[in-house]
Amino acid sequence: GAVVSQHPSWVICKSGTSVKIECRSLDFQATTMFWYRQFPKQSLMLMATSNEGSKATYEQGVEKDKFLINHASLTLSTLTVTSAHPEDSSFYICSAYRAQGNQPQHFGDGTRLSIL
Amino acid sequence: GENVEQHPSTLSVQEGDSAVIKCTYSDSASNYFPWYKQELGKGPQLIIDIRSNVGEKKDQRIAVTLNKTAKHFSLHITETQPEDSAVYFCAASRAAGNKLTFGGGTRVLVKP
Repeated sequence: GAVVSQHPSWVICKSGTSVKIECRSLDFQATTMFWYRQFPKQSLMLMATSNEGSKATYEQGVEKDKFLINHASLTLSTLTVTSAHPEDSSFYICSAYRAQGNQPQHFGDGTRLSIL
Repeated sequence: GENVEQHPSTLSVQEGDSAVIKCTYSDSASNYFPWYKQELGKGPQLIIDIRSNVGEKKDQRIAVTLNKTAKHFSLHITETQPEDSAVYFCAASRAAGNKLTFGGGTRVLVKP
């Protein structure tokens, strides 16, 4: 089946630093990638929708200058958390979708971000 | 926007019994309803999905029913096994490639 890989799986960094998370579709070209955030024991909340070659669409309440999304190719999207603070600590999960074949979205295994 | 409610939030069943999780949604334009299983520290894994032109779908021990008029859909797991223990999420969207709105999740515990 389709595989979506996220890297890193876990990162700890100091407050004020920027962190980049990668999401790769390993065996298909993803026309759309989605970024979700999940706090402990809560559901997944969509942050933004990313289409290859165009600007991401952010959900209401998500700061686009803080959460920079780049979708430069059909197999890679990146999320950069700029000037991270402890309240940004969360589980970040991406999903990838291929328009051909009307396949479902495939999710990565998430990145646990801890800001000290 | 879409709003998805999921019940119950926790469910404890004896091994071999059935488990049922129910979700309701608000957007009548939603046409795609996937169910995900999430294990600790991992991303959600699709277990079954249903589109609005179908009322029921089954895959081995898992089945999903959809009532579009009432705007609710349910997940049924039969002959539960300890490895079924996880958090289950329902979701709704207008199409498989559109943004998903998730329910609050159900923590299922299957007791041996």
